[in-house]
Amino acid sequence: DSGVTQTPKHLITATGQRVTLRCSPRSGDLSVYWYQQSLDQGLQFLIQYYNGEERAKGNILERFSAQQFPDLHSELNLSSLELGDSALYFCASSGGGVNNEQFFGPGTRLTVL
Amino acid sequence: AQTVTQSQPEMSVQEAETVTLSCTYDTSENNYYLFWYKQPPSRQMILVIRQEAYKQQNATENRFSVNFQKAAKSFSLKISDSQLGDTAMYFCAFMKETSGSRLTFGEGTQLTVNP
Repeated sequence: DSGVTQTPKHLITATGQRVTLRCSPRSGDLSVYWYQQSLDQGLQFLIQYYNGEERAKGNILERFSAQQFPDLHSELNLSSLELGDSALYFCASSGGGVNNEQFFGPGTRLTVL
Repeated sequence: AQTVTQSQPEMSVQEAETVTLSCTYDTSENNYYLFWYKQPPSRQMILVIRQEAYKQQNATENRFSVNFQKAAKSFSLKISDSQLGDTAMYFCAFMKETSGSRLTFGEGTQLTVNP
């Protein structure tokens, strides 16, 4: 158990809908990262937050947004869902400093029908 | 931008034998970190081993060791005494040496350990 929790584990929804994925980092970790794992794109970085502020953006679509709350949990919002958004979404956390290992949550499996 | 390449989509090995997974990367950075992550059928991402680029000595973790060739930008993973529980997808990953950097992953190698 990495100490990072993600809810829900599975999510099935229809095209055009909006969903929210939730992540709670390990106790004391200030940085949260979101990654998407899909068959065609592989594992790719989406976005990072550090202590409530956006730190870095990767290949995140404009239909996707995220935030980190004062209690350090983070949410990834996916809207106007398309079939191609079906993927495993991972959250990872770290202390935020240099040389800090990222600990991954169990992921949320999103299926868009 | 950094890129990570794993040229072996699938590999198999007999239980108790040794297998080596390959990884190459491209970067203009001088200081960085390299990782191997394991993803078993449960889909959990598990850190196997890490290597700091400034260290010449290859990292080892029990049955897992790496061969880090900085000039060649090569980072292979050797698994000794393979066990059935080693069956998983293995990802090579790169991270710049700056605070809170993202991980850049390779395509992955599916390793199957046969009894």
